[in-house]
Amino acid sequence: DQQVKQNSPSLSVQEGRISILNCDYTNSMFDYFLWYKKYPAEGPTFLISISSIKDKNEDGRFTVFLNKSAKHLSLHIVPSQPGDSAVYFCAASTGNQFYFGTGTSLTVIP
Amino acid sequence: NAGVTQTPKFQVLKTGQSMTLQCAQDMNHNSMYWYRQDPGMGLRLIYYSASEGTTDKGEVPNGYNVSRLNKREFSLRLESAAPSQTSVYFCASNDLTDTQYFGPGTRLTVL
Repeated sequence: DQQVKQNSPSLSVQEGRISILNCDYTNSMFDYFLWYKKYPAEGPTFLISISSIKDKNEDGRFTVFLNKSAKHLSLHIVPSQPGDSAVYFCAASTGNQFYFGTGTSLTVIP
Repeated sequence: NAGVTQTPKFQVLKTGQSMTLQCAQDMNHNSMYWYRQDPGMGLRLIYYSASEGTTDKGEVPNGYNVSRLNKREFSLRLESAAPSQTSVYFCASNDLTDTQYFGPGTRLTVL
């Protein structure tokens, strides 16, 4: 049973516009959430994270929002750039175990 | 500082053959992990090791064994490979902030 879900397999956005990637989770015990970016034939690389005690974390063009009551996480990329084209995974953890979503493939069109 | 390294990058096995996937990290991390990535399934945890000398099952441990050889190395063994184990395998380690660092992956095909 998938505890972390990314319901949009793909997303296309024009360069310069906002990209919004969404993630839902079912386990209320998750206390740490992360976003990873993955290029083909490479391992995922860490992008940004948020603790369950916060509702927003910002790092440059990337902002992660956490809505605990809705069990919903989103990643905003503003402005989107062609180099952002990749697969994005959200992940959630409790203790030592991490659970990943199925990924959203983002394409930023020049 | 190489981060997390994995060998081999690619491997083709026949059903029933055995092999060991190697992983090493040079970041002095305590926790290490093995995941598999399949199309439409995301990354699923096979086994993890919270510290040297300990290992625990993850979400999909059947058909696999692991060894935490020392703080740097964490290997994954397939004793009798099956076609269902065709996948991309990623090793990861994490720091005290719970940020995971991944290796480049091993693409395994079992015929």
